[in-house]
Amino acid sequence: GAVVSQHPSRVICKSGTSVKIECRSLDFQATTMFWYRQFPKQSLMLMATSNEGSKATYEQGVEKDKFLINHASLTLSTLTVTSAHPEDSSFYICSARSTERGTRNSPLHFGNGTRLTVT
Amino acid sequence: QKEVEQNSGPLSVPEGAIASLNCTYSDRGSQSFFWYRQYSGKSPELIMSIYSNGDKEDGRFTAQLNKASQYVSLLIRDSQPSDSATYLCAEGGSNYKLTFGKGTLLTVNP
Repeated sequence: GAVVSQHPSRVICKSGTSVKIECRSLDFQATTMFWYRQFPKQSLMLMATSNEGSKATYEQGVEKDKFLINHASLTLSTLTVTSAHPEDSSFYICSARSTERGTRNSPLHFGNGTRLTVT
Repeated sequence: QKEVEQNSGPLSVPEGAIASLNCTYSDRGSQSFFWYRQYSGKSPELIMSIYSNGDKEDGRFTAQLNKASQYVSLLIRDSQPSDSATYLCAEGGSNYKLTFGKGTLLTVNP
């Protein structure tokens, strides 16, 4: 089945530093990937839609200058949390659907998530 | 604004019973529907996808879709304690983005 690989799975960083999270679709092409954030005992929250070769689309209330998204290839999207603060500590999850021809209704597959702790 | 509604629960069933999870959606034009399971501290994993009216069975899981009523359900037969998790309903739009419900917490008691 389709696999989405996310790295790292866990990161601890100091306040003010930046953290980069990678998301790869391993066996399908995805011109669009999605980044979610989830706080403990809360729902998934869509942060942004990552578009290959163009700017990401951010959801309302998400700071685009703080959460930098780069989608440089059909299989790789990165999320960089810049100048991280303790309130950015959360579970970040990427996801992707195949955007290959004939796969419009394909399921969304999730990476294993990255647990970020900012001290 | 598309919406997907689920009862937040918690839904508690005894081991061996049938767990019934329900979901309604607002976009009458939606074509694809998915059920995900999320264990605490983990990312969601796909359980079922359904695209046509009627039932779709996969092992102990049965998804039901009624487009006229804009209703999707998931039945889990012979529930096991390992089924205890949050179940997310999602509908797929034309732009590859899924709209998720807030999830229903299921607890299966031994």
